[in-house]
Amino acid sequence: AQKVTQAQTEISVVEKEDVTLDCVYETRDTTYYLFWYKQPPSGELVFLIRRNSFDEQNEISGRYSWNFQKSTSSFNFTITASQVVDSAVYFCALSEAGRNRDDKIIFGKGTRLHILP
Amino acid sequence: GAVVSQHPSRVICKSGTSVKIECRSLDFQATTMFWYRQFPKQSLMLMATSNEGSKATYEQGVEKDKFLINHASLTLSTLTVTSAHPEDSSFYICSARDTSGYQPQHFGDGTRLSIL
Repeated sequence: AQKVTQAQTEISVVEKEDVTLDCVYETRDTTYYLFWYKQPPSGELVFLIRRNSFDEQNEISGRYSWNFQKSTSSFNFTITASQVVDSAVYFCALSEAGRNRDDKIIFGKGTRLHILP
Repeated sequence: GAVVSQHPSRVICKSGTSVKIECRSLDFQATTMFWYRQFPKQSLMLMATSNEGSKATYEQGVEKDKFLINHASLTLSTLTVTSAHPEDSSFYICSARDTSGYQPQHFGDGTRLSIL
C-alpha cells in the first residue's frame, strides 16, 4: 500500500530563516511520482513540483529546493530565507506512474508552516 | 490562469438538499478526473476516480449512491452530493489529467460545502 508521512504537523520559524519540511513515503511500485503542493488559507492547491522516481536529481527553484533520497524513501522540501507569504499548509504526495502518467494521488497529512514576521 | 474550473466555489444549503459540483477542464481534454474531500485541518482524501464514458471508481468507504459522479464529456465531470447532511460539510476539490498524461494533474480551486 502507498503511504506518505509528514511527521511535522506544525512548524513556526521567524522570517528569513531556512526551514525544511520532511516527507517519507512507502510504495511497492518501482515507478511513481512524488509531489509537493502548497495550500494557502484560501484553500486552493498550488502545485510546486512533481518528481519521477527515476530522477533522483535534487532541484532548486528560487528559494525552494527539494532533496530526493530513494535510499531513505524521503523527499524533503527546503525553503530558504523564508517569507511571511510562505505561510501555508504544505502537502507531500505520491502517485503511481503507469505509462508515464500520474494516477490518483495519495496525500500526506500536511505540515502547517507559520512564518513569523 | 486556471486550467481547471470548479463551480461553485462555495455552497451553503439546508440539510436534505442535493448539491451538484462541476469540474471543467478549460483548455485540454481530460479522460480522467479525480474527486477529493478535505475536512477542516485534515488532508485530502481521494473519493473517486471519474472516467469519461464509464462508471466512476469509488474508494473504499465512499458511498456511490450518496456521491453521484457523472463524466459525460472530455471536459466535464460532476459530483452530486445527494440528500446532503451536516456531516457532508467539507471542502471538495477535483483534479483533471489530460489525455496525454504527460503533464501533472491540474487541480480546481475547490468547493466549500456547508450544510445547515
